[in-house]
Amino acid sequence: AQKITQTQPGMFVQEKEAVTLDCTYDTSDQSYGLFWYKQPSSGEMIFLIYQGSYDEQNATEGRYSLNFQKARKSANLVISASQLGDSAMYFCAMRGPWSSNTGKLIFGQGTTLQVKP
Amino acid sequence: NAGVTQTPKFRVLKTGQSMTLLCAQDMNHEYMYWYRQDPGMGLRLIHYSVGEGTTAKGEVPDGYNVSRLKKQNFLLGLESAAPSQTSVYFCASSGLDRAGNTIYFGEGSWLTVV
Repeated sequence: AQKITQTQPGMFVQEKEAVTLDCTYDTSDQSYGLFWYKQPSSGEMIFLIYQGSYDEQNATEGRYSLNFQKARKSANLVISASQLGDSAMYFCAMRGPWSSNTGKLIFGQGTTLQVKP
Repeated sequence: NAGVTQTPKFRVLKTGQSMTLLCAQDMNHEYMYWYRQDPGMGLRLIHYSVGEGTTAKGEVPDGYNVSRLKKQNFLLGLESAAPSQTSVYFCASSGLDRAGNTIYFGEGSWLTVV
């Protein structure tokens, strides 16, 4: 069975500093995808970054990077140069093989990030 | 582009009433999902569909039913609403293969059961 775990309910970071949000996962599939989403207080789900299990390089999108350690089954999100607008809830998610007929997509419990000025 | 549209956005139900939430996507996506999100918590998968005419149970399916009669629509039904089903409901969709790298979400539907 698939499982996603985010062990940090809340995090604080000083503006302009970097922060790492932890995510570990469990799956027996060889092919899978990992996502990070941001949910501000307004409630919408904003896609941040995606990492495929066979991607050799860590994914990066602007100030976001995904520290993918396959053997440890971790997919931590790194936000560089934090901004006040980064204050939000962050979710890690995992999906099974996208070429199969499973397609199940599950989320972790989330981490609330607060950026201090 | 409309993307993923959920209706209604807000609803108050009395215990025991029934209702249907509609999710519509205009991107010809195969996969569609229904989640619920309770205050301060993550999204829990209720049901999902990997194509027209298919449905599957997620993590918390009890008390809900779904149907995917048309590829673009995914309906979530509450047959007899309970206060425990007070939540925010999100619909999402994605394509197959590499298109599945991007998942699109609706704006959410706030449901209160009194």
